[in-house]
Amino acid sequence: QKEVEQDPGPLSVPEGAIVSLNCTYSNSAFQYFMWYRQYSRKGPELLMYTYSSGNKEDGRFTAQVDKSSKYISLFIRDSQPSDSATYLCAMSASGAGSYQLTFGKGTKLSVIP
Amino acid sequence: EAQVTQNPRYLITVTGKKLTVTCSQNMNHEYMSWYRQDPGLGLRQIYYSMNVEVTDKGDVPEGYKVSRKEKRNFPLILESPSPNQTSLYFCASSLSLQPYEQYFGPGTRLTVT
Repeated sequence: QKEVEQDPGPLSVPEGAIVSLNCTYSNSAFQYFMWYRQYSRKGPELLMYTYSSGNKEDGRFTAQVDKSSKYISLFIRDSQPSDSATYLCAMSASGAGSYQLTFGKGTKLSVIP
Repeated sequence: EAQVTQNPRYLITVTGKKLTVTCSQNMNHEYMSWYRQDPGLGLRQIYYSMNVEVTDKGDVPEGYKVSRKEKRNFPLILESPSPNQTSLYFCASSLSLQPYEQYFGPGTRLTVT
């Protein structure tokens, strides 16, 4: 079993739709949960991070972590064509383990105008 | 402008010919890391460094070497490249207290024939 599982998609939605992206994981030591966005031919950039469980909101983006289910989600409201990218979940433990990030394979999202 | 730079951006080489990919950051970050990104496998960590002269292995270190003699630079060395090292390579950096917020370089596409 892979440490982090993420559906690669591709996912295609109409502009304005709500998008739900998800990852599951098996390592109960993970404490930091990140979402990175990667545009074509670019390096990933951090969208949001959450420490431990709970929700975090930033504009149209909401990150959720359910540690009991080992499941994390990213919701995008009112999706825009500029949101078209690959979304990577990433996780790490705390302390010395926080320096080793484990990434999901990424979900490719297309938002159609 | 705060950034991570990598050189070269594209490289085609032959099996066994030693090469170095340079990485430099101008943000005074303590932490630096190298990843490779492959279709179907996602982003995997090769090596990371928590500060000058401090390096450690990531998930896929075989066939790679690194050094951290200066805070801003973290070169990746392939002493004897093989075709299975054909990949897209990313360098990243972050503050040591915020390893979850990594700033990625633009990537180096390496082809080994």
